[in-house]
Amino acid sequence: DVKVTQSSRYLVKRTGEKVFLECVQDMDHENMFWYRQDPGLGLRLIYFSYDVKMKEKGDIPEGYSVSREKKERFSLILESASTNQTSMYLCASSQGTGRGRGYGYTFGSGTRLTVV
Amino acid sequence: AQSVTQLDSQVPVFEEAPVELRCNYSSSVSVYLFWYVQYPNQGLQLLLKYLSGSTLVKGINGFEAEFNKSQTSFHLRKPSVHISDTAEYFCAVSPVTGGFKTIFGAGTRLFVKA
Repeated sequence: DVKVTQSSRYLVKRTGEKVFLECVQDMDHENMFWYRQDPGLGLRLIYFSYDVKMKEKGDIPEGYSVSREKKERFSLILESASTNQTSMYLCASSQGTGRGRGYGYTFGSGTRLTVV
Repeated sequence: AQSVTQLDSQVPVFEEAPVELRCNYSSSVSVYLFWYVQYPNQGLQLLLKYLSGSTLVKGINGFEAEFNKSQTSFHLRKPSVHISDTAEYFCAVSPVTGGFKTIFGAGTRLFVKA
């Protein structure tokens, strides 16, 4: 069964800490995405990557960075965690181009991050 | 650019009643259309998708959706809901060519009551 795995389901961190959220996919997908989900705001794209070592800013990149050193792994980094980054973080992957886009996204189970 | 509007933020319905969750989109290019479901404290999973061909598409768990090009809509329906259908549902579009980001609607929370 193909899947996207996020390393933690629940995480509690202190303000100012550097936080790493890890995401691994086993489908050989080119594209990977990080979203945050907040009540009433839906899914907001933070960063995405369409190839190894490539990254693009999404709609809300401030306070975040990403790393994609290997095709299967896409990490989200909170440089200095703040309470307004308390949220559900969702990782997703998809096939690269053309008709493959019609397969849609595969999501991980999410990481609920609380910054105190 | 694309946009997606889910017309209802919450839909309460009694068990075994029919339900329709509404989705409208706008796009200057051809798009693929999707519905995703999110159960509490989980990620999203694909419910169904429209790529081309027949405008009525069937998905998992008895859901179906109809693509209406003239009205730019992709409404989700189920003839008889169960308590276990309580979840949040997201409509999404992805361009067929030129770009690979999917645009999601804000979500509709379906609450099935006994």
